[in-house]
Amino acid sequence: GAGVSQSPRYKVAKRGQDVALRCDPISGHVSLFWYQQALGQGPEFLTYFQNEAQLDKSGLPSDRFFAERPEGSVSTLKIQRTQQEDSAVYLCASRIAGDLETQYFGPGTRLLVL
Amino acid sequence: GDSVTQMEGPVTLSEEAFLTINCTYTATGYPSLFWYVQYPGEGLQLLLKATKADDKGSNKGFEATYRKETTSFHLEKGSVQVSDSAVYFCALSHTGTASKLTFGTGTRLQVTL
Repeated sequence: GAGVSQSPRYKVAKRGQDVALRCDPISGHVSLFWYQQALGQGPEFLTYFQNEAQLDKSGLPSDRFFAERPEGSVSTLKIQRTQQEDSAVYLCASRIAGDLETQYFGPGTRLLVL
Repeated sequence: GDSVTQMEGPVTLSEEAFLTINCTYTATGYPSLFWYVQYPGEGLQLLLKATKADDKGSNKGFEATYRKETTSFHLEKGSVQVSDSAVYFCALSHTGTASKLTFGTGTRLQVTL
């Protein structure tokens, strides 16, 4: 079946632009996570949704970062007024309700801020 | 807070060599431990996991044992193949609905003929 998909796969933005990154989780997966992976580093947690509720946003690095999942399926991570330090790969993962241990990751969106 | 430390790469091995990638962790309580693998051009995939002390996770010839006394979860494989070339991430999480993963920095493995 289809896995987690993310779009766009690559995004180049000029400093100060707003960007929106999309995640389509596996159908029926109630949990959705966003992670940020800087070059040469492991992914770092940004935020977590259960259905449409954002239950944990403790990893968002600043108020320029905003995530939503209005219908409990597709999620969008928005970054306002992008800065060079926002350059990273943004990973989305989803999880089925019956298995709290396994997250399924998408291929990521590579964001480059110039 | 929680943290995971992995041996730095890259690790370069010849095909059929023995592989060990070290991983240690710092965490409160009793986290679950994972190894994820990222093949070139692909997303992260769960390789194996262990949810309590002394558990051994295994998959595709890879093994790792949850050692609480040494807070370690080292990844091993007896005979690597070229197709095992990838980046390997050790990670932990605490059981619960909001069980976010805490990752190490990753170890790149390159297997040559």
